[in-house]
Amino acid sequence: DIQMTQSPSSLSASVGDRVTITCRASQSIDNYLNWYRQKPGKAPNLLIYSASKLQSGVPSRFSGSGSGTEFTLTISSLQPEDFATYYCQQAYTTPQFGPGTTVDVK
Amino acid sequence: QVQLVQSGAEVKKPGTSVLVSCRASGYTFTDYYLHWVRQAPGQGLEWVGWINPNNGGIKFEQKFQGRITMTRDTSISTAYMELSGLKSDDTAVYYCARATTVISTGWGFYGMDVWGQGTTVTVSS
Repeated sequence: DIQMTQSPSSLSASVGDRVTITCRASQSIDNYLNWYRQKPGKAPNLLIYSASKLQSGVPSRFSGSGSGTEFTLTISSLQPEDFATYYCQQAYTTPQFGPGTTVDVK
Repeated sequence: QVQLVQSGAEVKKPGTSVLVSCRASGYTFTDYYLHWVRQAPGQGLEWVGWINPNNGGIKFEQKFQGRITMTRDTSISTAYMELSGLKSDDTAVYYCARATTVISTGWGFYGMDVWGQGTTVTVSS
């Protein structure tokens, strides 16, 4: 089984900050990596697919990069609605989600 | 608009079964894989399985072997997930989610773009 990890597990930030979250896979998953944002009490929302492609309707402050085993999600200027939990998900084999990164208010 | 609407909350006793439904609207139901994902209280997301609504083919996480049934009724654009032998650690919100791209491109390499509102399943004696 492929193991997914995320770092940090949580971070504190302010509106306007640049935020970077890292996701690592235990083996190469090419670019089969997706990112989601989940607000409390809500279903997840797809942000990035195929490691770096912005899902339709998602603000351009979100970007993704990486391939193989290491990936990053960057929020260029954090907005109030971005205080949430972020999950990576590998799609190389059957779907697996990372453990999540919670972004809260500093 | 494209939408997935799930059945309501359930409270079940250990050892029983639960059936969760997911009704699709706004798109051709048989054109996209449908996934089931669950989230235990305060925990992360866990993939449960997927169904190909076109031919009924399924795949699920091995830990659910022997306990899970996924079906669909194309006449009413609805998918179902039944979990039997319920245990307390099956307590979770269960989501259905549509694969982003059509079936011909695979089961969901490009993520899940439309999600149901979630169904809370509580297992308690």
